[in-house]
Amino acid sequence: QVTLKESGPVLVKPTETLTLTCTVSNFSRSNGGMHMSWIRQPPGKALEWLAHIFSNDDKSYSTSLKGRLTISRDTSKSQVVLTMTNMDPVDTATYYCARISIRGLFFDLWGRGTLVTVSS
Amino acid sequence: SYVLTQPPSVSVAPGQTARITCGGNNIGSKSVHWYQQKPGQAPVLVVYYDTDRPSGIPERFSGSNSGNTATLTISRVEAGDEADFYCQVWDGGSDHPWVFGGGTKLTVL
Repeated sequence: QVTLKESGPVLVKPTETLTLTCTVSNFSRSNGGMHMSWIRQPPGKALEWLAHIFSNDDKSYSTSLKGRLTISRDTSKSQVVLTMTNMDPVDTATYYCARISIRGLFFDLWGRGTLVTVSS
Repeated sequence: SYVLTQPPSVSVAPGQTARITCGGNNIGSKSVHWYQQKPGQAPVLVVYYDTDRPSGIPERFSGSNSGNTATLTISRVEAGDEADFYCQVWDGGSDHPWVFGGGTKLTVL
């Protein structure tokens, strides 16, 4: 079955740029492109949507983080990449990639997440 | 932007019924989706389109949505159901379309 795996640095310094990669495994391109999203969760806090990229390359970003986020796709590698600039300690969180269902606007598959700590 | 309000915590004894609410302005006009997140794990979809269950989710999990409140109901609660639960909607008219509730911690007494 399809699986998602996030990868990236576990520690970044304030003001640095974070780059996270979501690798999609066992995906059949015959099903068309996937709609993907990034979501984060600070320790002990709620889920927060960050960005999405649809199969037609339509993109959208969290209004509170707009300007700092960029989402992109490398179809040849089955990867979705999120960059976040000017990292701050408040950005410390577990970052998840999630698949948006083809049946509707919800997330039917999640990666295990990757914890990113922002500290000098 | 659209706001979803959940109670921080719900407690229930094993075998009883747990009801977790998700409040929002005229939420009954939207489709509500629910996720269960156990400690240290990623969220898992348990109910979508207000009432539908993904394959593998027990029938004990059900949902409803009307007026200003959506509800996730867990019947015959088991110790293994203890988790955080999040509701989510798509607010298509907004520039911040994906909205999550603040989460509810379900404690099985």
